[in-house]
Amino acid sequence: NAGVTQTPKFQVLKTGQSMTLQCAQDMNHEYMSWYRQDPGMGLRLIHYSVGAGITDQGEVPNGYNVSRSTTEDFPLRLLSAAPSQTSVYFCASSYFKAGGNPSTDTQYFGPGTRLTVL
Amino acid sequence: KQEVTQIPAALSVPEGENLVLNCSFTDSAIYNLQWFRQDPGKGLTSLLLIQSSQREQTSGRLNASLDKSSGRSTLYIAASQPGDSATYLCAVRGDTGRRALTFGSGTRLQVQP
Repeated sequence: NAGVTQTPKFQVLKTGQSMTLQCAQDMNHEYMSWYRQDPGMGLRLIHYSVGAGITDQGEVPNGYNVSRSTTEDFPLRLLSAAPSQTSVYFCASSYFKAGGNPSTDTQYFGPGTRLTVL
Repeated sequence: KQEVTQIPAALSVPEGENLVLNCSFTDSAIYNLQWFRQDPGKGLTSLLLIQSSQREQTSGRLNASLDKSSGRSTLYIAASQPGDSATYLCAVRGDTGRRALTFGSGTRLQVQP
């Protein structure tokens, strides 16, 4: 298994540009999520999905869109990049299901995308 | 809103020392609590997951405890090694609503040879 893969690893954008961060997993996980990590602030949830066709907002969703057309892929779109979106972005997946076994919720993280917006 | 705090923010110890990392959370209605390790420039690796009904979990030299009623968890690392140097993060998953995973800011650990 490749686990959780993210592309690209690094990206520099100009203010106003758009782009898509790719995330894929091959573990048949229903639950996928996107986080951003900023110095001194831990990880903050942007969007998440509990299965194909179902997405919802997290703590900091403004300026980002997601879709989940397949179980494997969960891309994150930046609509119009702003300097405040400079961050490291992580995608994660797990077997988590509401009402399921809490012990199967081990989170698997991708290696991250380091984004700089000028 | 759930808030997770980790103390200390940074810790430096000599090799071989036993150490404790602390995590506290404000809302005791949790589904589980997880401890992660993050190496510089890397993603997070899951270390231990404690279900809300459990008191502790062990893996090798790591032991994590959970006191849900007081909103506290500790990660105990026995006989620390330089390879343990990393940032350790705890996260709690809520038991209601969005059931989001809320992270602490982490403890940066340096184990000196």
